[in-house]
Amino acid sequence: GAGVSQSPRYKVAKRGQDVALRCDPISGHVSLFWYQQALGQGPEFLTYFQNEAQLDKSGLPSDRFFAERPEGSVSTLKIQRTQQEDSAVYLCASSWTGGEYEQYFGPGTRLTVT
Amino acid sequence: AQSVTQLDSQVPVFEEAPVELRCNYSSSVSVYLFWYVQYPNQGLQLLLKYLSGSTLVKGINGFEAEFNKSQTSFHLRKPSVHISDTAEYFCARGSARQLTFGSGTQLTVLP
Repeated sequence: GAGVSQSPRYKVAKRGQDVALRCDPISGHVSLFWYQQALGQGPEFLTYFQNEAQLDKSGLPSDRFFAERPEGSVSTLKIQRTQQEDSAVYLCASSWTGGEYEQYFGPGTRLTVT
Repeated sequence: AQSVTQLDSQVPVFEEAPVELRCNYSSSVSVYLFWYVQYPNQGLQLLLKYLSGSTLVKGINGFEAEFNKSQTSFHLRKPSVHISDTAEYFCARGSARQLTFGSGTQLTVLP
């Protein structure tokens, strides 16, 4: 079946612009995660949803970052007033709940802020 | 806080040679450990995972890892690498809520 998809794959934004990044998880996956991966680094956790409920947003770096999953499926990560330090690859992952903990990752969106 | 350390940022190895990628984690009562591989411009793919049970875990593409509680390690091994194994490898620990990743090891397989 289809895996996790993300769009756009590449996004260039001018500093100060708002951006929206989309994630389509695997159908039926209850849990959805967002990670930020800076160049040459491992992914860092941003936020976690179970269905439509955002249960953990402790990794969001500032109040300019906002994520939603209104119907428990597709999720959007929004970054307001982008800054150069926001340049990174944003990865989305989804999983079943049930204790196996395996997360399936999308290809990521590479955001470049100029 | 939970942490994962990958000591080697780059590991070059010749084709058909064995390889070990090292991973150490901060001690905890319970621990769930993973190895992921990332090819250029792609997302992460799970190689293997340790949740409980046997300390030797076998994964895809001929990789295996051994959970060592006393040394707080979870090193990844392959007895004979191929050119196609060239990629970034990430060790991670976590739960159903989030994964904490190491900084990654770039494995380069040389002909």
